Amino acid sequence: QQQVKQSPQSLIVQKGGISIINCAYENTAFDYFPWYQQFPGKGPALLIAIRPDVSEKKEGRFTISFNKSAKQFSLHIMDSQPGDSATYFCAASVSNSGYALNFGKGTSLLVTP
Amino acid sequence: DGGITQSPKYLFRKEGQNVTLSCEQNLNHDAMYWYRQDPGQGLRLIYYSQIVNDFQKGDIAEGYSVSREKKESFPLTVTSAQKNPTAFYLCASSIGWRGTEAFFGQGTRLTVV
Repeated sequence: QQQVKQSPQSLIVQKGGISIINCAYENTAFDYFPWYQQFPGKGPALLIAIRPDVSEKKEGRFTISFNKSAKQFSLHIMDSQPGDSATYFCAASVSNSGYALNFGKGTSLLVTP
Repeated sequence: DGGITQSPKYLFRKEGQNVTLSCEQNLNHDAMYWYRQDPGQGLRLIYYSQIVNDFQKGDIAEGYSVSREKKESFPLTVTSAQKNPTAFYLCASSIGWRGTEAFFGQGTRLTVV
């Protein structure tokens, strides 16, 4: 059973627009929430991550917003570029499983020129 | 270069044969993980290991086996008991503490014919 639910499944955004991907979780023991970016045929790479004691984290054009009470977090990509076209995964982890990541099903983002 | 090396990149096997996927890391990480990726399913945890000579089942361990005889190596065997083995397999490693980044290899695409 999926512990982290991600939406939308796919997203098309124009160049310069804002891409927003949402995730929700049930396990309140999760204490680390990363976002990974994956290009076709490659392994995922960490984009940005947040811990539940922080409500927002920004790194360049990428921002995570975290709502602990709603058990939701989201990724915002500002000024989206064609090079951002990839699949994005949210994830969550907890100590009792060796900090193994529980992934959402992914969002395929296409940024059009 | 520090990182995670998975080999081979592509693997073809006949139905009913066991096959072993290699994963080696030179990051001096304690924790290592195996994930399976299917289209539209995200990444699902097969096995993880937090220390040499110890490993734990993940969400979809049936039909798979692992060993962790050396810190650097965490091979995955896909056995004939795995009903649908065709998938993209990803190995990852991390320090294993809360909030630390997991680094992924480039993956092995296994096709069973």
